[in-house]
Amino acid sequence: GAVVSQHPSRVICKSGTSVKIECRSLDFQATTMFWYRQFPKQSLMLMATSNEGSKATYEQGVEKDKFLINHASLTLSTLTVTSAHPEDSSFYICSARGVGRSGNTIYFGEGSWLTVV
Amino acid sequence: GNSVTQMEGPVTLSEEAFLTINCTYTATGYPSLFWYVQYPGEGLQLLLKATKADDKGSNKGFEATYRKETTSFHLEKGSVQVSDSAVYFCALKVENQGGKLIFGQGTELSVKP
Repeated sequence: GAVVSQHPSRVICKSGTSVKIECRSLDFQATTMFWYRQFPKQSLMLMATSNEGSKATYEQGVEKDKFLINHASLTLSTLTVTSAHPEDSSFYICSARGVGRSGNTIYFGEGSWLTVV
Repeated sequence: GNSVTQMEGPVTLSEEAFLTINCTYTATGYPSLFWYVQYPGEGLQLLLKATKADDKGSNKGFEATYRKETTSFHLEKGSVQVSDSAVYFCALKVENQGGKLIFGQGTELSVKP
């Protein structure tokens, strides 16, 4: 079964509003979580890396004020897309790496489809 | 820098055909190599991995060998099934970069009955 869960799996929001996506590790403590963005028929682009209890490290070109990442606990990271616009519509996937289950393996969530109308 | 290059898709095969999806990489350091599969409408699933040169990863009939001399990690399967239709991503991870994964562009595989 899934060891990393994302919620919601699909969300539609109005332009200008904010939307939060959660990423949870279900049976291990995720010391590091990664957020990716995937456009249709394209590869995954890493947006940011978050370590529990510290600020996220954003990849070049990713607006940290627009894509707010919080990793407040060892099992939960959230991505908030602020003032969303249609061009933010995409598939967002998180992955988690931690200790415990299977050691150093990285597990991916199921992804969240965001549509901004 | 670190990068992954995959053969372009889509790849269309008949059921029971032999599959090869090429993947080459450049990396500073000693990467681990992965193949992930993404079925339509779903997230990524780890298919197989290899952590050092000459290692062979295998799963569900798929296999790939870590070739340091050719910096390659080609994915192969002897007899594909319709259910193998998906997008396949080759990826590398360099430990001294926080464990983040760098993905290739993905190769779409379509298997026809």
